[in-house]
Amino acid sequence: AQSVTQLGSHVSVSEGALVLLRCNYSSSVPPYLFWYVQYPNQGLQLLLKYTSAATLVKGINGFEAEFKKSETSFHLTKPSAHMSDAAEYFCAGGSNYKLTFGKGTLLTVNP
Amino acid sequence: KAGVTQTPRYLIKTRGQQVTLSCSPISGHRSVSWYQQTPGQGLQFLFEYFSETQRNKGNFPGRFSGRQFSNSRSEMNVSTLELGDSALYLCASLGDNRYNEQFFGPGTRLTVL
Repeated sequence: AQSVTQLGSHVSVSEGALVLLRCNYSSSVPPYLFWYVQYPNQGLQLLLKYTSAATLVKGINGFEAEFKKSETSFHLTKPSAHMSDAAEYFCAGGSNYKLTFGKGTLLTVNP
Repeated sequence: KAGVTQTPRYLIKTRGQQVTLSCSPISGHRSVSWYQQTPGQGLQFLFEYFSETQRNKGNFPGRFSGRQFSNSRSEMNVSTLELGDSALYLCASLGDNRYNEQFFGPGTRLTVL
């Protein structure tokens, strides 16, 4: 079965610190991977996507992720956290028309 | 382009009732997928419609059904509501590209009392 695992349901960082959110996928997940962000009472917004064109993917708001096939990982990073980054982040793997999501990681940014 | 719209945004129902949720995809998108989001189970795929046909289905009971109209708008119906159906229901529309970039609506928050 396809699975996407996010390590850490809650990550807390200080403003200006590095953000690292971890995501591993099962090898049965097709190689289309995504990171979405969800703010309270809102839907999901796409941060970035991996579609095999390049292993380092740059997204919106300064986020990027690196696809590592050998580690089956797709971790999300941002060099310097901002207060506005506080939200829940979801890693997802997709086959056509259906996404398998991780459980989500709630990011808290402390002043 | 307008984004994905979902109506209503909030619903309160009682056990045993049925409910219909609506989703209008981005103009030109023909695929609509539905997801249920709960604190316990996270985001789970319900089903996907393309050109008025259900093309994929997740592991949900038959009480959950849907349909899609010729203008690509989709509805989701839940019959005989249970307390556990309380959730945020998200729909997503998909453009005709090979990279499966789904665009999500704001969701409908369903509360079953």
